[in-house]
Amino acid sequence: QKEVEQNSGPLSVPEGAIASLNCTYSDRVSQSFFWYRQYSGKSPELIMSIYSNGDKEDGRFTAQLNKASQYVSLLIRDSQPSDSATYLCAVSGAGSYQLTFGKGTKLSVIP
Amino acid sequence: NAGVTQTPKFQVLKTGQSMTLQCAQDMNHNSMYWYRQDPGMGLRLIYYSASEGTTDKGEVPNGYNVSRLNKREFSLRLESAAPSQTSVYFCASSGDHRGEQYFGPGTRLTVT
Repeated sequence: QKEVEQNSGPLSVPEGAIASLNCTYSDRVSQSFFWYRQYSGKSPELIMSIYSNGDKEDGRFTAQLNKASQYVSLLIRDSQPSDSATYLCAVSGAGSYQLTFGKGTKLSVIP
Repeated sequence: NAGVTQTPKFQVLKTGQSMTLQCAQDMNHNSMYWYRQDPGMGLRLIYYSASEGTTDKGEVPNGYNVSRLNKREFSLRLESAAPSQTSVYFCASSGDHRGEQYFGPGTRLTVT
C-alpha cells in the first residue's frame, strides 16, 4: 500500500513569513511529485510539480525533493492571507497513471 | 478553454436511487479519473481511464461503474446509492504519464 503522509495542521504563520509544508512517501520507486492547493469548498489546483532531486522555484513557491529520504516539501515565501488553504501532496510511480494523495495540511496565514 | 467540467454541482438522492455524474475535458487529454473526497480520508481514486476505450479500478471502486464515452467524456454511475456514498466527487484529467492532473469543480452528493 503506497502511503503519503502529511502533518494535518493547522499550520499558522504570520503574514510575510515563510510557510514550510512537509510530505513523506513510502514507495521508493515514486517518480513524480506534486503540490495542490485546495481552498475550502473548491477543487484541488496544481501549483507545483517536481521530478528530480533538488529545488524548483516558481514565484513565491519552492518545491524541494529528496528521494533518498523520501521527502518532499513546499516553501511559501512572503506568505499572504490568500495562501490560507489546504495543501495536498501527491505522488506517482514510474509510468503510473495513478496519484496517491496525502490528507493535506491546512495552512492559515494570520494578517 | 473550460478545462474540466462536471455536472451536476449538487445532488441529493434517496437510498437505492441511481444517478450518473458527467465529466468532460477540452484539453485533449488521454487520461481521466474519478475521485471521492471525504473528511479525514483525503482524495481516493475510484476509477480511471488511461486512454479512450480502457477503464481500471482504483482504490475504492465498489458500488460504482464508469464509462469512457469518447476522448472528452468520462461518466461515473451509482446504480443503487447508499449513505456511505455521500461525498464530494471530483473528475480529473491528465495529458501524459508524468501525472499532472487537472481537476473539475466537483459534485457534492448527499444520499439520505
